[in-house]
Amino acid sequence: DGGITQSPKYLFRKEGQNVTLSCEQNLNHDAMYWYRQDPGQGLRLIYYSQIVNDFQKGDIAEGYSVSREKKESFPLTVTSAQKNPTAFYLCASSIAGGWTEAFFGQGTRLTVV
Amino acid sequence: AQTVTQSQPEMSVQEAETVTLSCTYDTSESNYYLFWYKQPPSRQMILVIRQEAYKQQNATENRFSVNFQKAAKSFSLKISDSQLGDTAMYFCAFINYGGSQGNLIFGKGTKLSVKP
Repeated sequence: DGGITQSPKYLFRKEGQNVTLSCEQNLNHDAMYWYRQDPGQGLRLIYYSQIVNDFQKGDIAEGYSVSREKKESFPLTVTSAQKNPTAFYLCASSIAGGWTEAFFGQGTRLTVV
Repeated sequence: AQTVTQSQPEMSVQEAETVTLSCTYDTSESNYYLFWYKQPPSRQMILVIRQEAYKQQNATENRFSVNFQKAAKSFSLKISDSQLGDTAMYFCAFINYGGSQGNLIFGKGTKLSVKP
């Protein structure tokens, strides 16, 4: 079945550590997105990529990094520079330009301990 | 800057009644799509309905329909015959197509509670 998979579902990080969230899709979508969700904040865009080897910063990119070496994969690294990383992270994909809809993964809950 | 505004943080409705969720957006572009997404307690994002900006006819999907007012930049969602399973966060979203634009922008959401 085609879909978008995020892993792990829950992730714990010690302060000062970098951590990488995985996002894989087999929908042959060109565009991929990372969002952060906090209570009362809705979904805020961290990074997005419209094509392999290219990505753009969203509204809250500071303290995060991404790569897009393969069409299927768009991992997000939460670096130690991110001061408040505890949140729910959602990955999404769509055909380029968002012609139909964005498909979402099930999310990763990151907690700093 | 492009923005999406949902002015109702929380709403409630009795089962079987109708409720309307508001959404306004701001863009200088003329070609775009608008979406309503539902996020139940499982936190899985589910597409409810989609509207192409070039279409004047309002989209409908079973009990869900929209009132799209392009000039006013308004995109409200009407849920008819509300069911307990409609209890969720609802997000309005917007995306340009064409050119260099391409990021999907969300509002802050409306928490809908359907009461028995």
